[in-house]
Amino acid sequence: GIQVEQSPPDLILQEGANSTLRCNFSDSVNNLQWFHQNPWGQLINLFYIPSGTKQNGRLSATTVATERYSLLYISSSQTTDSGVYFCAVEQGDYKLSFGAGTTVTVRA
Amino acid sequence: DAGITQSPRHKVTETGTPVTLRCHQTENHRYMYWYRQDPGHGLRLIHYSYGVKDTDKGEVSDGYSVSRSKTEDFLLTLESATSSQTSVYFCAIRGPMNTEAFFGQGTRLTVV
Repeated sequence: GIQVEQSPPDLILQEGANSTLRCNFSDSVNNLQWFHQNPWGQLINLFYIPSGTKQNGRLSATTVATERYSLLYISSSQTTDSGVYFCAVEQGDYKLSFGAGTTVTVRA
Repeated sequence: DAGITQSPRHKVTETGTPVTLRCHQTENHRYMYWYRQDPGHGLRLIHYSYGVKDTDKGEVSDGYSVSRSKTEDFLLTLESATSSQTSVYFCAIRGPMNTEAFFGQGTRLTVV
């Protein structure tokens, strides 16, 4: 099956810092989503982004499908950004395959 | 927020007992999924459904069965729970092609 690799595995930020999370995938995909899992375990949809660039407040994402990667940008990080960020991809079979996640800790 | 409800939210059970987890949706979506989350593994697909009575296996289906007798409910059954099935279980739903999936709140299952 498709391999999804996220980097870095862990990230510690000072409040106000910017950061970039990366998701590489081993084959072509039809769908790519980014999720944030908050400290209470809830999975929150951030972006549905099979290609192109999207922005939502301090977060933005870019997917370059032809090169098989996606980036999630966090600007001016806040403590509420802490949690685990997951990338998930789908190859047209309606099954999402997840990466192992990036754990982000934002310190005040 | 997508209308997804998982029940129970927490459960402790003994090895060898049967356990059923329920996922209920109010969105009338066609596709429903069960995932498990374990440290270091992200989320792994157990089973999914693409319609009433239509289900298929995911990557970690051994020891699990599912049923979907109506659009809104997707049940996950552990026929004889084992300690390796201690995990957090998430249900997800999605609508038509090229739309995003939404996840329920999760069920924390502990098998002792």
